[in-house]
Amino acid sequence: ELKVEQNPLFLSMQEGKNYTIYCNYSTTSDRLYWYRQDPGKSLESLFVLLSNGAVKQEGRLMASLDTKARLSTLHITAAVHDLSATYFCAVDGSATNKLIFGTGTLLAVQP
Amino acid sequence: KAGVTQTPRYLIKTRGQQVTLSCSPISGHRSVSWYQQTPGQGLQFLFEYFSETQRNKGNFPGRFSGRQFSNSRSEMNVSTLELGDSALYLCASSLAVADGTSGVFYEQYFGPGTRLTVT
Repeated sequence: ELKVEQNPLFLSMQEGKNYTIYCNYSTTSDRLYWYRQDPGKSLESLFVLLSNGAVKQEGRLMASLDTKARLSTLHITAAVHDLSATYFCAVDGSATNKLIFGTGTLLAVQP
Repeated sequence: KAGVTQTPRYLIKTRGQQVTLSCSPISGHRSVSWYQQTPGQGLQFLFEYFSETQRNKGNFPGRFSGRQFSNSRSEMNVSTLELGDSALYLCASSLAVADGTSGVFYEQYFGPGTRLTVT
């Protein structure tokens, strides 16, 4: 059974600091997705990583994928308050269009 | 292009009742997936419909069912509601996109969700 683990579950950080969220998954997959969810809202797609070594950046967020280690990272650079949200990674097992989500990381950026 | 729409947005039901939720996908998207989000279990896949056929199914009891119409709109039904069915139900529509090698991937676009409360 495909499992996806994220850590940390909760991250409180100061504005201007850098940090990384980790996403480990238990079986072979070349497709890794990152989503953002604001309180009471739906999921917003951030990145789709399709192959080993893929790196994507948007603003202060950068995501990477290492399929051999079954690990993806979401790096936050110089955090700002607007980045406060819950971040989820997800994997689709064998391209089935069935996403298995991680537990989520609640990010709180303090001024 | 209009996004994914879900109706109703909020719903309060009593244990034992049944409920039907509706999802209209993005125009041109033929796949619709449903997810349940709860504080305890997180985001869990319910099922996926493609061209009116259930293509994938998660580990939920038979009380949870769905269907898709010829216009790709989808409904999910929960019968004999239990307190534990209180959740945010998210619908996602997707389109197969070539991944640059020989495969495809599906980028899912989520609707605003239906917040179901069972009392």
